[in-house]
Amino acid sequence: EVQLVESGGGLVKPGGSLRLSCAASGFTFSSYSMNWVRQAPGKGLEWVSSISSSSSYIYYADSVKGRFTISRDNAKNSLYLQMNSLRAEDTAVYYCARVGSSSGYYGRYFDLWGRGTLVTVSS
Amino acid sequence: QSVLTQPPSVSGAPGQRVTISCTGSSSNIGAGYDVHWYQQLPGTAPKLLIYGNSNRPSGVPDRFSGSKSGTSASLAITGLQAEDEADYYCQSYDSSLSGPWVFGGGTKLTVL
Repeated sequence: EVQLVESGGGLVKPGGSLRLSCAASGFTFSSYSMNWVRQAPGKGLEWVSSISSSSSYIYYADSVKGRFTISRDNAKNSLYLQMNSLRAEDTAVYYCARVGSSSGYYGRYFDLWGRGTLVTVSS
Repeated sequence: QSVLTQPPSVSGAPGQRVTISCTGSSSNIGAGYDVHWYQQLPGTAPKLLIYGNSNRPSGVPDRFSGSKSGTSASLAITGLQAEDEADYYCQSYDSSLSGPWVFGGGTKLTVL
């Protein structure tokens, strides 16, 4: 079955760190660019970060730049998000999302999503 | 404030046709960048509904259609069904500081 499964979420204090993981299965993970998209409680979707298939190209939203680091291990079919200096406004469900194979850089869309993992930043 | 503007809510009776708008600017939709649409059923992850303005992934009913004109895009749903009740999001590329990939604020569709 083609799927993405996130893990690693939880409760963390402001200023703390957390590492999210996303396990991919059912497709050739190493052929796809991958992303993290988040959704604050009761709010809309926000793109967070993107990494190309070979990790050559990495992008971040301004809201997380300098605090979050995206990475991947193609041998383990896994995507990661290291989150440091967490703030209350980082509280959200974090989704792992695959880039559609027919989309280029400007036309990028997300054709496969995981169920998400909840990150709560609170003292 | 989202770069792509959607109405907070729309509603329609079963069998009716509804449209959801997504209004952008010259730095995104108006610049010719593609618009994509996602459906998020209550308590679930988003699902790709329309890509490249008007293309449906395999498995998406033809009741769902997308279009784009100028600085706006629209999602149309015909033959409305109870299971269509969900949040809908548009997404595109933005060349301003808001980008690169941006979502609309989302529209809650209620089936009356």
